[in-house]
Amino acid sequence: AQSVTQLDSQVPVFEEAPVELRCNYSSSVSVYLFWYVQYPNQGLQLLLKYLSGSTLVKGINGFEAEFNKSQTSFHLRKPSVHISDTAEYFCAVSDLHAGGTSYGKLTFGQGTILTVHP
Amino acid sequence: DVKVTQSSRYLVKRTGEKVFLECVQDMDHENMFWYRQDPGLGLRLIYFSYDVKMKEKGDIPEGYSVSREKKERFSLILESASTNQTSMYLCASSHAGGRKTQYFGPGTRLLVL
Repeated sequence: AQSVTQLDSQVPVFEEAPVELRCNYSSSVSVYLFWYVQYPNQGLQLLLKYLSGSTLVKGINGFEAEFNKSQTSFHLRKPSVHISDTAEYFCAVSDLHAGGTSYGKLTFGQGTILTVHP
Repeated sequence: DVKVTQSSRYLVKRTGEKVFLECVQDMDHENMFWYRQDPGLGLRLIYFSYDVKMKEKGDIPEGYSVSREKKERFSLILESASTNQTSMYLCASSHAGGRKTQYFGPGTRLLVL
């Protein structure tokens, strides 16, 4: 079974500063990794995902994440944040069984609330 | 534009009532999911369905049931609502397979008194 740990429950940051949201996972098999964002009073939407290939993944709104297999991490970064990035961010791992099959179920982390201050 | 809709944004029910939450997607997705979102716990999977009339338990199915009679519609049923089921409920859908993006509805905030 997979599990996901987001190391920070809240991250306050000033506008135009860089930010890193940390995510570690555990799994006995290969995984697919996702970052979703939830703006206030909305559902979740996909920021980016790692399936295979290059370990640096670029997403929407200037975000990127790096898959590190040896450290089982998938940290999310943005070099310069905006007020509009204030939201809750969720890291998730997809079930991927031996042989490459998957139902597409996701296991989510606890969420990180990013608050960008002017 | 992809769309997942949920029947209510806010719902207030009494303890013991039977509660129906409905979710509809217009993307011809095979998979549909019901999650519960609580502060500090993230999203937890209640049930999912990978085909019409097919369902699988997620991590926290106790106190819930589901129904999928048509491909586009997935219902979550609280047979006898309890106060500990006060939460945000999110529906999602996706095509089959682990690589696929899940698309989420706006959520239903349920309060059980």
